[in-house]
Amino acid sequence: DTGVSQNPRHKITKRGQNVTFRCDPISEHNRLYWYRQTLGQGPEFLTYFQNEAQLEKSRLLSDRFSAERPKGSFSTLEIQRTEQGDSAMYLCASLTSGGTGELFFGEGSRLTVL
Amino acid sequence: GENVEQHPSTLSVQEGDSAVIKCTYSDSASNYFPWYKQELGKGPQLIIDIRSNVGEKKDQRIAVTLNKTAKHFSLHITETQPEDSAVYFCAPVTSYDKVIFGPGTSLSVIP
Repeated sequence: DTGVSQNPRHKITKRGQNVTFRCDPISEHNRLYWYRQTLGQGPEFLTYFQNEAQLEKSRLLSDRFSAERPKGSFSTLEIQRTEQGDSAMYLCASLTSGGTGELFFGEGSRLTVL
Repeated sequence: GENVEQHPSTLSVQEGDSAVIKCTYSDSASNYFPWYKQELGKGPQLIIDIRSNVGEKKDQRIAVTLNKTAKHFSLHITETQPEDSAVYFCAPVTSYDKVIFGPGTSLSVIP
């Protein structure tokens, strides 16, 4: 068990470009979450998957954001036409139904939009 | 939706002193109350949690107390050490469909 893995760890892009982040959760975890965190703030909920089904999506998530978990294992978060306000740390977390309830986080993907 | 607050937002203590962080929440149906610690450049990590049928839980130097009637729970750290310096988040859970985190408390332990 290598924990939750996120790639890339850092991404610098120009405004208007598309970016994609990948999250590999702990293998037996069926629930997966994406959060956004800016400096000095708590993790802000973006979306949640149970297996391959996206069951919850924050109303703060604009149409430029899309997330998938095609086979119920890894997940991707894509941001289209990036804006400077998208600059943040994007965190992925997973947990297993019937477990303790603990969320296991990856180390995040930091996005800088120039 | 769940409204989560933490107090204080920043806390500075001398090494060896105690630190207390309070989390208030709005959803009376919350039934799981965890505290996470986030060190610089890392994702949050669970340090202690409590369920709604228990009033207090202790693990070495850290403890969590729960007051469901008043809808708040607190993190207590005794004999603080420099490595306790971090940002602490509460994340009371009602439903695992949407886990909301508090705004965080930045703890500094001064050697």
